Amino acid sequence: EAGVAQSPRYKIIEKRQSVAFWCNPISGHATLYWYQQILGQGPKLLIQFQNNGVVDDSQLPKDRFSAERLKGVDSTLKIQPAKLEDSAVYLCASSQMSSRGPYGGTEAFFGQGTRLTVV
Amino acid sequence: DAKTTQPTSMDCAEGRAANLPCNHSTISGNEYVYWYRQIHSQGPQYIIHGLKNNETNEMASLIITEDRKSSTLILPHATLRDTAVYYCIANDYKLSFGAGTTVTVRA
Repeated sequence: EAGVAQSPRYKIIEKRQSVAFWCNPISGHATLYWYQQILGQGPKLLIQFQNNGVVDDSQLPKDRFSAERLKGVDSTLKIQPAKLEDSAVYLCASSQMSSRGPYGGTEAFFGQGTRLTVV
Repeated sequence: DAKTTQPTSMDCAEGRAANLPCNHSTISGNEYVYWYRQIHSQGPQYIIHGLKNNETNEMASLIITEDRKSSTLILPHATLRDTAVYYCIANDYKLSFGAGTTVTVRA
């Protein structure tokens, strides 16, 4: 079974530039997550999708971050314009939909992440 | 969201059992307890989850107290490869991680 695919693996940009990350979840997984992980901290949930809809985006800095999930499959996360403090690893994960709720009793699978450095 | 509290770090001797505690006193009746771990430079990896009963799989055992306010993840025979950050989560709505417990297994 193919895992969660993310690209690119590494990205270096200058501040105020824009950047986009791509995620292809495991086939059939309805729930998709994007996380930001700053060095030394736990992953911070940015946005959670269930199919095409947004379950939670309360921690997404909407003035500069945006995310979409096309046809309930692939997803892109964009930052425009980037700031120095956006330097982090961006992780994508997916899980099967559960009758218990958007995340209930299911296992989430994570991609390798994209390491973003803003200089 | 049910808040979870874990120790910041702990050491364990290789070959011994590692017992990782988690407090989730505000957990609601239908929320599961989940454990994930993150090995350096990798994405988090699912370990186990449970509701009321104790659970065991090939990786670990999960012991949940009768009142469900706390749980313990047990790694029965810790190896150096179990060195990682371990996260306890009690939420069925969204997958949110706290700071976790940094577990260092020493030879």
